[in-house]
Amino acid sequence: VMTQSPTFLSVTPGEKVTITCQASEGIGNYLYWYQQKPDQAPKVLIKYASQSISGVPSRFSGSGSGTDFTFSISSVGAEDAATYYCQQGSKHPLTFGGGTKVEIK
Amino acid sequence: QVQLQESGPGLVKPSDTLSLTCAVSGYSISSTYWWGWIRQPPGKGLEWIGYIYYSGNTYYNPSLKSRVTMSVDTSKNQFSLQLRSVTAVDTAVYYCARKRDGYNPFDIWGQGTMVTVSS
Repeated sequence: VMTQSPTFLSVTPGEKVTITCQASEGIGNYLYWYQQKPDQAPKVLIKYASQSISGVPSRFSGSGSGTDFTFSISSVGAEDAATYYCQQGSKHPLTFGGGTKVEIK
Repeated sequence: QVQLQESGPGLVKPSDTLSLTCAVSGYSISSTYWWGWIRQPPGKGLEWIGYIYYSGNTYYNPSLKSRVTMSVDTSKNQFSLQLRSVTAVDTAVYYCARKRDGYNPFDIWGQGTMVTVSS
C-alpha cells in the first residue's frame, strides 16, 4: 500500500511544493512519480525515486528509499496545476498512491 | 514516435464483458516491453489491472485476476483486455501503457478511453 500526503495543496506561484509517499514495506528505490493534468494521461516525471526523466524541467525532484519518499517542485508555476501520483514498481501488484492535487492560487 | 491508442465500446451492460484493444504504432510490440492496462474511476485514483509480454506471459492484479484476460496480437501490433462480469464499479477511464522489462515506470500512455457500465 502506498500512502500519499497531502491529498490537496493550494499554493502561490514561486512556492515550493513537497509531497510525501510512504510504502507499507520496503521497496528499495523502485518508486516513480507521475503528473496528471485534467483529461490527460499520466506522465512520468521521476524514476528510481530521484532520477529525472529526459525533457522534464529541473524544478521537479525526488528523494528517498526503502519506505519513505519525497517529491518536490522547487518553484511552482501555473503550468504545474495537476494531480501527482507515486507508484511502486518493486513487487506485484503494482500500486499507486492516492494522489495529491496541486492547485495554483 | 511511439503512440498507443485504445479502442472499444464506451458503454457496456452489467454482467457483460468489457473488451478493449490498444493499437501500438511507431514501435514493435515484440520487444523488451510489457504492455499494460491501468484504469481510473471518475474523480478517483489509478489502479493497475495487469500487463502482458509479447510472448504471452502475463501479470494480473489479484483483485481482478478472476475476471481478466489479456492477449497480444503481434501480427497487428496490438494487445487487448477482456474484463468479464462487469458492474458499475468497473466504470472508469481505461489506459493502455508501456513499461520496459525490469523495474521501470510506465513511460508511454494512451490517451485513455471512458467505459461506462450501465443498462
